[in-house]
Amino acid sequence: DAGVIQSPRHEVTEMGQEVTLRCKPISGHDYLFWYRQTMMRGLELLIYFNNNVPIDDSGMPEDRFSAKMPNASFSTLKIQPSEPRDSAVYFCASSLGQGISAFFGQGTRLTVV
Amino acid sequence: RKEVEQDPGPFNVPEGATVAFNCTYSNSASQSFFWYRQDCRKEPKLLMSVYSSGNEDGRFTAQLNRASQYISLLIRDSKLSDSATYLCVVNQAGTALIFGKGTTLSVSS
Repeated sequence: DAGVIQSPRHEVTEMGQEVTLRCKPISGHDYLFWYRQTMMRGLELLIYFNNNVPIDDSGMPEDRFSAKMPNASFSTLKIQPSEPRDSAVYFCASSLGQGISAFFGQGTRLTVV
Repeated sequence: RKEVEQDPGPFNVPEGATVAFNCTYSNSASQSFFWYRQDCRKEPKLLMSVYSSGNEDGRFTAQLNRASQYISLLIRDSKLSDSATYLCVVNQAGTALIFGKGTTLSVSS
């Protein structure tokens, strides 16, 4: 398996623009997680899905953030409008079951200027 | 109080040294425990799970103390390649993995 695949790897955008991050989980995994990592706050859970259904989105910072999982092999995280404080590395991870270790994608490094 | 707390370090040790990292968690309902490793500008990767009875994987030993809500990682005979950030991770029923901010290890020759 190719592992969790994220795109793009790097994104530089201007404040106010819409940003869409993409993730393909490992085939057969039923849990998908979106995390954000910054130096100040470490790895923070934004949202997670089970069988394509959002389970907990309490970590989503505000209404500017939204996430979807239209099918078992694809998820998006959208920020609209983006702000400089959204600059971070966004990781997608997947796991087979809950309470099981998760596998991470290589991340998307987002810079909002 | 943060759910998972770690000493951020950095820990600077010479090759061959033994080094120990500690981690505390706040939720007594936590059920699963892990150590992840993250190299600079890379994604976190599972290093090892942590079992109640303690477990060992080569030079790495993990221990769990549920009463004190404390997890440890011991690295023996440190190698240059062990230089990384080590993340303590816990999971409670019905939630996703919760990560500590990590402890940075630098092994020098």
